[in-house]
Amino acid sequence: DSGVTQTPKHLITATGQRVTLRCSPRSGDLSVYWYQQSLDQGLQFLIQYYNGEERAKGNILERFSAQQFPDLHSELNLSSLELGDSALYFCASSPGGRGGDTQYFGPGTRLTVL
Amino acid sequence: AQSVTQLDSQVPVFEEAPVELRCNYSSSVSVYLFWYVQYPNQGLQLLLKYLSGSTLVKGINGFEAEFNKSQTSFHLRKPSVHISDTAEYFCAVSAFSGGSNYKLTFGKGTLLTVNP
Repeated sequence: DSGVTQTPKHLITATGQRVTLRCSPRSGDLSVYWYQQSLDQGLQFLIQYYNGEERAKGNILERFSAQQFPDLHSELNLSSLELGDSALYFCASSPGGRGGDTQYFGPGTRLTVL
Repeated sequence: AQSVTQLDSQVPVFEEAPVELRCNYSSSVSVYLFWYVQYPNQGLQLLLKYLSGSTLVKGINGFEAEFNKSQTSFHLRKPSVHISDTAEYFCAVSAFSGGSNYKLTFGKGTLLTVNP
């Protein structure tokens, strides 16, 4: 158990809908990262937050947004969903935002868009 | 920008045999290197990482990796594998991307299957 929790575990929805994925980092970790894992693209970095502020952006679509709240939990919002958004979404956390930090991964949320 | 190439998408081996999973990277700046493992239906777990110092890094579950700067490689090895090592293995590179930011880039993964 990494100490990172994600809810829900599974999510099935229809095209055009909007969903929210939730992540609670390990106790004391200030950085939260979101990743998308799919068979064709592999594991892609989406976005990082550090202590409530956006720190880095990766391959995140404009239809996706995220935020980190004062209690350090984070939410990833996916809107106008398309079939291609079906994937496993991981949240990870680390103590700070340093390059050598280990990122601790949650169990993931499997999103299926029908 | 950095990139990571895992040269084998699948590696089948027999139990108690040695294994090497290959990883090459490219980056114009200094990097930190990681190997993560993903067991079925689970998140990723750190096996080992290289930050600096000795180029031979030992990790959990008997795995080790060697950083070779001249060949820009970070191959993962285990002298004798077990059935329980069956999983997907990801090599990753963390490199400075501007400001105070580092970006972690993953390879496509290598599926290690250990057969009895």
